[in-house]
Amino acid sequence: ILNVEQSPQSLHVQEGDSTNFTCSFPSSNFYALHWYRWETAKSPEALFVMTLNGDEKKKGRISATLNTKEGYSYLYIKGSQPEDSATYLCAFNLNTGGFKTIFGAGTRLFVKA
Amino acid sequence: DGGITQSPKYLFRKEGQNVTLSCEQNLNHDAMYWYRQDPGQGLRLIYYSQIVNDFQKGDIAEGYSVSREKKESFPLTVTSAQKNPTAFYLCASSIIGMNTGELFFGEGSRLTVL
Repeated sequence: ILNVEQSPQSLHVQEGDSTNFTCSFPSSNFYALHWYRWETAKSPEALFVMTLNGDEKKKGRISATLNTKEGYSYLYIKGSQPEDSATYLCAFNLNTGGFKTIFGAGTRLFVKA
Repeated sequence: DGGITQSPKYLFRKEGQNVTLSCEQNLNHDAMYWYRQDPGQGLRLIYYSQIVNDFQKGDIAEGYSVSREKKESFPLTVTSAQKNPTAFYLCASSIIGMNTGELFFGEGSRLTVL
């Protein structure tokens, strides 16, 4: 059974703290790794997509890295702000010649002002 | 603004009733998907469609049905055969052939069976 594991399940931090989350995925048949940000009562939105081992992406205070050989990706948030409070989803695309995306259960981040 | 609209946001159903969740997109995407979210689990694929009048079962299709009569619309019917229908349902779309496979989501519909 192919599984995507995200840790921690939830995280409470103070405004200004830096934090990071982990996404673990199968290292075989890798095609792409996505991070989505999902705020309460809104739709999930794409943050990053990474396809190559060693990829690093950055958007403002948020960045992500990818290691396809060992099957993990990290998402970092520098200087967390209350508006960063959301669930961060990791999704793994398999290269099977057809469509297959597997989602992790997400990391719920709470940033206290 | 382009996007995906799901309705209703909240729906209550009695056991034994079928209900239909609406999903409309104006992004001109070929592919559309239905996902189910349960607490503590990742999104699971129910059905997907890559072209009008064609759709495929996902990982948890039992007790659900879909149609794709128009490119913009992909309604999901939760039938009385679905044993545990209380859940949060997300509709998504994507461009076919886009290497990254990025999904665009609606805001979801929460179904509660009484």
